[in-house]
Amino acid sequence: SQELEQSPQSLIVQEGKNLTINCTSSKTLYGLYWYKQKYGEGLIFLMMLQKGGEEKSHEKITAKLDEKKQQSSLHITASQPSHAGIYLCGADMGNFGNEKLTFGTGTRLTIIP
Amino acid sequence: KAGVTQTPRYLIKTRGQQVTLSCSPISGHRSVSWYQQTPGQGLQFLFEYFSETQRNKGNFPGRFSGRQFSNSRSEMNVSTLELGDSALYLCASRGASTEAFFGQGTRLTVV
Repeated sequence: SQELEQSPQSLIVQEGKNLTINCTSSKTLYGLYWYKQKYGEGLIFLMMLQKGGEEKSHEKITAKLDEKKQQSSLHITASQPSHAGIYLCGADMGNFGNEKLTFGTGTRLTIIP
Repeated sequence: KAGVTQTPRYLIKTRGQQVTLSCSPISGHRSVSWYQQTPGQGLQFLFEYFSETQRNKGNFPGRFSGRQFSNSRSEMNVSTLELGDSALYLCASRGASTEAFFGQGTRLTVV
């Protein structure tokens, strides 16, 4: 089984709607990183969360890490076509620093007009 | 500031051959990590180098190896290629207390 579970696996959202992607672990995370990937390309860094209860926002994207540091959510407000892609959560599972990340299976986001 | 550069972008090899992929990190970054991405297994950690030393290693067979040079550029090598080695190989570079920046990847196809 995956150490890091991401849900949903895919999401089709109408442009302008809000959406949430979740990332869950059975272990305490030392750091949680959100990335976006266009198909077949590299990962673009979105946000890094390290403290329990931490919340960060950038433009229309907000990421939160729960108090127990086992679950994170990524929320997009008023989605746009530019938000389409694959969203990946990556976690430091053993205090390695972010040199060694364990990734979730990804969420494929499609935005329809 | 230039990003992480991976070469080549695409590669086609035959089973049994070996292949070398290259990664040039962001200037000043000393840590380089390698990942394999496949549709079935997702993104999996291969190994990480820091100052020419391998610090972390994932669960891959010995056919997968790497090295890092004094200028922090890194190479990974896969010997005796198998069909299952077809994947997108990504490298990430990291400086002191920063997030990991990923390259565009090398798409390897083994036929």
